Amino acid sequence: SYVLTQPPSASVAPGETARITCGGNNLGSKSVHWYQQKPGQAPVLVIYYDSDRPTGIPERFSGSNFGTTATLTISRVEAGDEADYYCQVWDSSSDHPDSVFGGGTKLTVL
Amino acid sequence: EVQLVESGGGLVQPGRSLRLSCAASGFTFDEYAMHWVRQTPGKGLEWVSGITWDSRSIAYADSVKGRFTISRDNAKNSLYLQMNSLRAEDTAFYYCAKEDVVGAAFSGAFDSWGLGTLVIVSS
Repeated sequence: SYVLTQPPSASVAPGETARITCGGNNLGSKSVHWYQQKPGQAPVLVIYYDSDRPTGIPERFSGSNFGTTATLTISRVEAGDEADYYCQVWDSSSDHPDSVFGGGTKLTVL
Repeated sequence: EVQLVESGGGLVQPGRSLRLSCAASGFTFDEYAMHWVRQTPGKGLEWVSGITWDSRSIAYADSVKGRFTISRDNAKNSLYLQMNSLRAEDTAFYYCAKEDVVGAAFSGAFDSWGLGTLVIVSS
């Protein structure tokens, strides 16, 4: 089955830029979606279709997807951005659709 | 405003069954594919199952295939997950999630999530 690989943790100082990666075989040929999850809360969609932002998500959040790596970029990081971030794709290589999540990256704001 | 409210979780013994429900409001339910996603406490997200708007196409993760059954009642704006032969490894928060594009299925993002319901499988 398809595998998405994320670093387990990342840290950034307030005001700096955080980059969270998601790796997968030929990932650039798939649409990647990103979710933010704060403790005790449900996930929230922050980037979809590689680089689009849902209504209400700050412009500080952006995304890219090329080759084997997708990247979620958070500019001018704030304390409230501290959360777990997950990437997600759909895999159609088997005989049935399968949605795959990365293992998640815990972002710490120093 | 989209609202998804899960119910039906609880403590259940291994091998027993449980039925989860998700009540939807704030959008035209019968236009969207719906999904169940679970999360073991302190761990990552795992997609469980999805169903198209018209129930004609259904998919399951290999980990639950043959044990879980997803269904929906568009007249009641409700999504269900019948879980049979439960195992300890099924212990998790179960989230109901809406796919983002009208009529699409198994291709988009999960743009709305419920708060989840906790299922604990233990003797």
